[in-house]
Amino acid sequence: GNSVTQMEGPVTLSEEAFLTINCTYTATGYPSLFWYVQYPGEGLQLLLKATKADDKGSNKGFEATYRKETTSFHLEKGSVQVSDSAVYFCALSGWTGNQFYFGTGTSLTVIP
Amino acid sequence: DAGVIQSPRHEVTEMGQEVTLRCKPISGHNSLFWYRQTMMRGLELLIYFNNNVPIDDSGMPEDRFSAKMPNASFSTLKIQPSEPRDSAVYFCASSLRPDTSTYEQYFGPGTRLTVT
Repeated sequence: GNSVTQMEGPVTLSEEAFLTINCTYTATGYPSLFWYVQYPGEGLQLLLKATKADDKGSNKGFEATYRKETTSFHLEKGSVQVSDSAVYFCALSGWTGNQFYFGTGTSLTVIP
Repeated sequence: DAGVIQSPRHEVTEMGQEVTLRCKPISGHNSLFWYRQTMMRGLELLIYFNNNVPIDDSGMPEDRFSAKMPNASFSTLKIQPSEPRDSAVYFCASSLRPDTSTYEQYFGPGTRLTVT
């Protein structure tokens, strides 16, 4: 079956530090992969996506590359800001049934 | 365009009362999802609809929960009777499913339900 595993949090970083949040997946067929961000008190917002192997999704300085050989979709940002403090969810969308599979979320706190 | 709209944003009710949460998906989207989010269990899919038809309700916790989608622009999630353990944030999301690929989901702001 399909599933997503992402690194446990919480993660605390100083401003301008490098961020990596790991995400690996198990899927049949050719899934699409996503990162969502949830700011306090808000719903989930799509951050970036990749729909096929070797695709790189990017947005707001965040990047993630769809690695089929390692079944991974790690989120990275070169220099985090306080405003990046949020919970980040990795997700997978399979063709069958249009279902999404979310990871458990990783809480990020960036301190000045 | 307006995003996914949910109402109410906050609901406080007493145990045993009926609660109805409402969702208006993005115009033109044909799939709708109801999720529940708690600290203990994270984000859980409750039910989803394609073209107003319920496809998978295996995530609905028990018979006290029911969901309807009478038309393409409106859905409800009802809890009757409510219990304190139903306290959570309930999200509605919508997406467009064409024939050849799947697309991302767009989330509403959520309804924070507190059952006392």
